[in-house]
Amino acid sequence: NAGVTQTPKFRILKIGQSMTLQCTQDMNHNYMYWYRQDPGMGLKLIYYSVGAGITDKGEVPNGYNVSRSTTEDFPLRLELAAPSQTSVYFCASSYSAGQGIGYEQYFGPGTRLTVT
Amino acid sequence: AQSVAQPEDQVNVAEGNPLTVKCTYSVSGNPYLFWYVQYPNRGLQFLLKYITGDNLVKGSYGFEAEFNKSQTSFHLKKPSALVSDSALYFCAVRGLTGGGNKLTFGTGTQLKVEL
Repeated sequence: NAGVTQTPKFRILKIGQSMTLQCTQDMNHNYMYWYRQDPGMGLKLIYYSVGAGITDKGEVPNGYNVSRSTTEDFPLRLELAAPSQTSVYFCASSYSAGQGIGYEQYFGPGTRLTVT
Repeated sequence: AQSVAQPEDQVNVAEGNPLTVKCTYSVSGNPYLFWYVQYPNRGLQFLLKYITGDNLVKGSYGFEAEFNKSQTSFHLKKPSALVSDSALYFCAVRGLTGGGNKLTFGTGTQLKVEL
């Protein structure tokens, strides 16, 4: 049981390039999330998904896109990278079974992205 | 809208002493509250949660948190700190309304435990 895995661990992009950050979970969780973490700012939600085929914007979606074709995978696409997208990106997953069971999110190890 | 405040950027404590990391929240209705820990260059790890019931919640690694509805607080505590507890701690809240099981995180508190 690997939990939530993310690739790559590190990446340097030039301004205007594109890339996809991969996220996979093996816990059969229906909810998945993408966050960015900037120093002193906590975590900001970029996009989330409540199940395969359903995605929605979070707090800071501009410059990003997502898809959810399977329960396990939730890739994050950066188009036309900008220096403001330099950050650490975390993928997470969760489930809810009602009556307070679940709800906590489980995080991947993160991807450190630098755009220069 | 829901929000979380962690008023201290850093907390310093001597090993063996009790520690408290503070968190206050704002949410419509009854909250679900969470604490996470982040070690350097790692993802966030779940420590504990309050959903309902007993106001004192026990979690991993000897941590506990006290829910206080009148003060809208959910402070993280440990009776005896260890150097290995040094890390970044995040409080998070989930309201009962809205979809997606989304959490709102605080900005984090750096805990430093010294010998």
